[in-house]
Amino acid sequence: AQKVTQAQTEISVVEKEDVTLDCVYETRDTTYYLFWYKQPPSGELVFLIRRNSFDEQNEISGRYSWNFQKSTSSFNFTITASQVVDSAVYFCALSDPFSGAGSYQLTFGKGTKLSVIP
Amino acid sequence: NAGVTQTPKFRILKIGQSMTLQCAQDMNHNYMYWYRQDPGMGLKLIYYSVGAGITDKGEVPNGYNVSRSTTEDFPLRLELAAPSQTSVYFCASVTPPYEQYFGPGTRLTVT
Repeated sequence: AQKVTQAQTEISVVEKEDVTLDCVYETRDTTYYLFWYKQPPSGELVFLIRRNSFDEQNEISGRYSWNFQKSTSSFNFTITASQVVDSAVYFCALSDPFSGAGSYQLTFGKGTKLSVIP
Repeated sequence: NAGVTQTPKFRILKIGQSMTLQCAQDMNHNYMYWYRQDPGMGLKLIYYSVGAGITDKGEVPNGYNVSRSTTEDFPLRLELAAPSQTSVYFCASVTPPYEQYFGPGTRLTVT
């Protein structure tokens, strides 16, 4: 069965510090997709990134970067020079659509609440 | 394109009442999903549909029913609301294999 673990429940950092959010996943499939979403206090889900299991290239997008390592089943997310607007709950999620269930639903971690203090 | 829309945005129900949460998408997606998000938790799958007329249970289906008579609409029915159903409900649709589109959510309180 699929599982996503975000061991950090809450993190507080001072503005301009770097912060890494951890995500560990479990799946028996070789083809799967990993996602990060941001949920600001307003409550909507904001898509940040998707990675497929065949693409282990790390990615940088502005102040955000992602480190995908299949060997450790991890997909960690780093925010560089954090800002107050980064304060939100961040979710890691997994989709393994070829598992036999025939659907594309996401399995979510419990989320990490990030507070950036000015 | 409106994407995925959900109504209502907020609702307060009394214990034992019933209601239907509406979800619609205008992207002609076959795959649609209902998730619930309890406080401090991630989203959990309630029901999903792979096309009009076809639905199946997810991880937490008890207390809910769904129907899918059209491609566009995927309503979620709560019968006999209970305090344990206080949650935020998200509807989603998918362009396979990975483009996920989420609605803005419905915040439901049962008292």
